[in-house]
Amino acid sequence: QKEVEQDPGPLSVPEGAIVSLNCTYSNSAFQYFMWYRQYSRKGPELLMYTYSSGNKEDGRFTAQVDKSSKYISLFIRDSQPSDSATYLCAMSPYNNNDMRFGAGTRLTVKP
Amino acid sequence: NAGVTQTPKFQVLKTGQSMTLQCAQDMNHEYMSWYRQDPGMGLRLIHYSVGAGITDQGEVPNGYNVSRSTTEDFPLRLLSAAPSQTSVYFCASSPDRSGQPQHFGDGTRLSIL
Repeated sequence: QKEVEQDPGPLSVPEGAIVSLNCTYSNSAFQYFMWYRQYSRKGPELLMYTYSSGNKEDGRFTAQVDKSSKYISLFIRDSQPSDSATYLCAMSPYNNNDMRFGAGTRLTVKP
Repeated sequence: NAGVTQTPKFQVLKTGQSMTLQCAQDMNHEYMSWYRQDPGMGLRLIHYSVGAGITDQGEVPNGYNVSRSTTEDFPLRLLSAAPSQTSVYFCASSPDRSGQPQHFGDGTRLSIL
């Protein structure tokens, strides 16, 4: 069993839809939870990060962490074609940069 | 502010050749790392460094060497390239090893024939 599980998709939605991306994990030591966006032939770009449990909102993006269920989510409201990319979840323990990544979910937003 | 810069962007090697992938950051970050990205596998840590002169192995270190003589640079060396090392390689950095998010370069696409 992988330490971080993420559905690879692909996921295709119409423009304006609400997108939900999810990851589950097994290591209870994880404290930092990140979402990266990766465009084709580019490096991962940090989109959101949270420390411990809770929600964080930034514009059209909301990140949620439920440590009791070992489950994290990223919601994208009013999705745009420019949101088409691969989304990677990542997490690491406190005071330790041993970051573990999900395999990534490929999202396409159709005009 | 360039962030994390990787060179070259693309490289084709023959089995048994050696090469060095370059990585430089201009953010004065203490922590630097190298990952490889393979389809369906996510990003896997090869080697990392917590400061100049200090390096350690990650999840998949075999076949790779690193050194860190300055804060800015963290090159990755393939000693004798093998087809299994065909991958996309990413360098990343963060201010320290507290677990805060890392910032990535745009990668080097490496093919070993």
